[in-house]
Amino acid sequence: AQSVTQLDSQVPVFEEAPVELRCNYSSSVSVYLFWYVQYPNQGLQLLLKYLSGSTLVKGINGFEAEFNKSQTSFHLRKPSVHISDTAEYFCAVSGRGGADGLTFGKGTHLIIQP
Amino acid sequence: GAGVSQSPRYKVAKRGQDVALRCDPISGHVSLFWYQQALGQGPEFLTYFQNEAQLDKSGLPSDRFFAERPEGSVSTLKIQRTQQEDSAVYLCASSRRTGGNTGELFFGEGSRLTVL
Repeated sequence: AQSVTQLDSQVPVFEEAPVELRCNYSSSVSVYLFWYVQYPNQGLQLLLKYLSGSTLVKGINGFEAEFNKSQTSFHLRKPSVHISDTAEYFCAVSGRGGADGLTFGKGTHLIIQP
Repeated sequence: GAGVSQSPRYKVAKRGQDVALRCDPISGHVSLFWYQQALGQGPEFLTYFQNEAQLDKSGLPSDRFFAERPEGSVSTLKIQRTQQEDSAVYLCASSRRTGGNTGELFFGEGSRLTVL
């Protein structure tokens, strides 16, 4: 079984400032890691994913995340945020192999202030 | 269709009523998942289909919840004798891969159920 912890329920940031959204996971097996974004009244959309290889993963809209196995973390970063980045961000994990679905964190609401 | 379509988008039910939520996945997608998202929480897994076979229903919270995908395409999530704690957004996701655990899930906009 896996679990995901997103410690920050809300992160307010000024426009054009950098941002980091934190995600830690727990698993007894090797995992795949993901970040999804949910804009108001829309479905979840995949931002980026780590399956294997380079631990620095780049996604859409200028976001990136770094997998740190020793820290069991997968923090999401963006060097300069825009007002349109206001959304709910979910970190998710799944075990390698098998047919299990994703386990999501509780989400972090990114609030961009002008 | 171009994306995952869910209906109704909003449903208000009186406690004790039965409801049915529909999911129309992307054409050709093998895997279909249902998730429940309570207010302020992340999505929680309910059940998984591979084509018409329901391979995992471990997340269904009670025997009042039932899901089917009889022809391996459209799926229906049925909740009998709804309770207030069933109020949530029900998300459907599909994937062209089996298992879907590589994250290539495409989500619908969800069906928001409010039980009074």
